[in-house]
Order: sequence, then structure tokens, then C-alpha cells
Amino acid sequence: DAMVIQNPRYQVTQFGKPVTLSCSQTLNHNVMYWYQQKSSQAPKLLFHYYDKDFNNEADTPDNFQSRRPNTSFCFLDIRSPGLGDAAMYLCATSTQGGSTEAFFGQGTRLTVV
Amino acid sequence: GESVGLHLPTLSVQEGDNSIINCAYSNSASDYFIWYKQESGKGPQFIIDIRSNMDKRQGQRVTVLLNKTVKHLSLQIAATQPGDSAVYFCAEIPQKLVFGQGTRLTINP
Repeated sequence: DAMVIQNPRYQVTQFGKPVTLSCSQTLNHNVMYWYQQKSSQAPKLLFHYYDKDFNNEADTPDNFQSRRPNTSFCFLDIRSPGLGDAAMYLCATSTQGGSTEAFFGQGTRLTVV
Repeated sequence: GESVGLHLPTLSVQEGDNSIINCAYSNSASDYFIWYKQESGKGPQFIIDIRSNMDKRQGQRVTVLLNKTVKHLSLQIAATQPGDSAVYFCAEIPQKLVFGQGTRLTINP
């Protein structure tokens, strides 16, 4: 059974139209990550949560926001998607304290038209 | 700042040969490393990990070597198979999971 679930798998949105991607986990992990991955590139960390503590990467655009209403769910909000935001968005979880692997969802592929 | 990088962006090997994928990291405080395999259209999949108090760890057909002196990791895949074709990333978790550039492994029949 999938432990980190991302919905939807494929999302098409219009230029400038807000979009939300979702991630849920059944692992009860307290750390959740959001990554952006463009073609032939490594996943780029956007932000992560330790429980409710939000940690934004310095180079993450303000256009990207996140919410974590509870341990199981985390959302990525793109306020005004541009063509350059088309990518695969990956969610991952791990336990705090490091030294444990991170589990990934299958990703949401975002297309901006 | 932190960075985890790979030496080679692509690697092509013959089926049945051994593959070696390399990775350099810059954060000397890193104490835990993971190799991930990513197939097209899928999320990264855990292969093997190693802690900084070890220099070698073996799994099924895979071995990870850690050289802390030169801040270098390698992933060795024995008897490479067509199903091993993917992009391989090294990653570290001192406080957060950071990926290296990635190496695309292609298997030639």
C-alpha cells in the first residue's frame, strides 16, 4: 500500500490561475518535504516542515506557499503559476532527527497552459 | 552552503558489467547518506544508505562506499541489468534531504 500519496498525478492549470497540490502520508512521520523537479534535473527542495515548523529554502519564490493542517496532510499552493513552474512536484516524509530514509510519493506533474 | 554533486551526468554500461556511480558532497557535518533510484515518471526510490561511522555497506547487488576524507560517495551495482536503467541520486540528511545532480545509467544489451 502506498505510504505517501500525492494527488493528482497529473495537473493542468492555466497561466496565473492558483493551483494546489496535495500530499498525504500514513507513516506518521513528522517531517514533510516538497521538491520541484524539472526534466533531467535533481529534485530541488522548496520547503519542509518539522511538525508544524515551516522551513523555507532561501531561493524558493514567494509564489510557492505551503500548508500543513495536521501530521498526515501537506499542501503546495502555487499562487500564480507561470510557464516556468511546469515540473514534477515531489512530496516526501521522514522522521525527525535524521539518519532515516525519506519516503517519496509518485509526484504530481504540473502543466501550465 | 550545502551541495551534493555527482561527477558524471551519464553512464553507459554493458549488461552484466558492474556499474560505479560517484558523488561528491561539501557538507563535512553530514552524517547520513542515501542513494535513490528514479525511473522515468516516478518518485525516487530508496536503494541503500550509509552512516558516517561506516565506510562500506552492502546490499543485494549494491554496495555503497564512503570516503569522508575526500567527501566522496560511490554506488556500485554488480551485474547490471536492464531494470537498473534509471537516474541515480545521492542525498544527505544532516537536517534536511538534499539531492546531488544525478547520473543517468543506461544499459547496453
